[in-house]
Amino acid sequence: AQSVTQLGSHVSVSEGALVLLRCNYSSSVPPYLFWYVQYPNQGLQLLLKYTSAATLVKGINGFEAEFKKSETSFHLTKPSAHMSDAAEYFCAVSVNSGYSTLTFGKGTMLLVSP
Amino acid sequence: DTGVSQDPRHKITKRGQNVTFRCDPISEHNRLYWYRQTLGQGPEFLTYFQNEAQLEKSRLLSNRFSAERPKGSFSTLEIQRTEQGDSAMYLCASSSPTPSTEAFFGQGTRLTVV
Repeated sequence: AQSVTQLGSHVSVSEGALVLLRCNYSSSVPPYLFWYVQYPNQGLQLLLKYTSAATLVKGINGFEAEFKKSETSFHLTKPSAHMSDAAEYFCAVSVNSGYSTLTFGKGTMLLVSP
Repeated sequence: DTGVSQDPRHKITKRGQNVTFRCDPISEHNRLYWYRQTLGQGPEFLTYFQNEAQLEKSRLLSNRFSAERPKGSFSTLEIQRTEQGDSAMYLCASSSPTPSTEAFFGQGTRLTVV
């Protein structure tokens, strides 16, 4: 079975500062990894995905993530935070390329202060 | 087609009542998923359809829960004899039959059982 651990339920940054949200996964087979963002009372929007191609994945809104097999990590970064980035971020893993049942982490709330 | 649509967005019901939610996936997507998200947690997988066939059910899906996708298009999720513990956001997602494993989520139905 696969699992995801997101370190830190809340991360606070100042506007313009680096954003780093941590995700570690556990999987017995090569994983597919995803980051989703959720705004209050909304569904989830895909930020980026890793599907065994390039290990550095670029997503929407300036976010990127790097797959590190040796560390079983898929941390999300953004060089400069905007106020509009304040939301909850979920890391997820899937191990089946035929369909995409996802196992999610508990989420990290990103707080951005002016 | 603008995305996955869920109805209603909010539902308040009394304990013991039955409720039904509807999900309309993106039109060309043959795969449909239901997830449940409780406060402070990531979404948890409930069930998966490929066309009209229900191919996987989580053990979270008790016998009070039933999901259908009769014509391989929209899906319904029914909860019978609701309990306070059923209060959650119910998310629907769909994905295409191509090798991509990306799932697109609807905005969810928030259920409150009083």
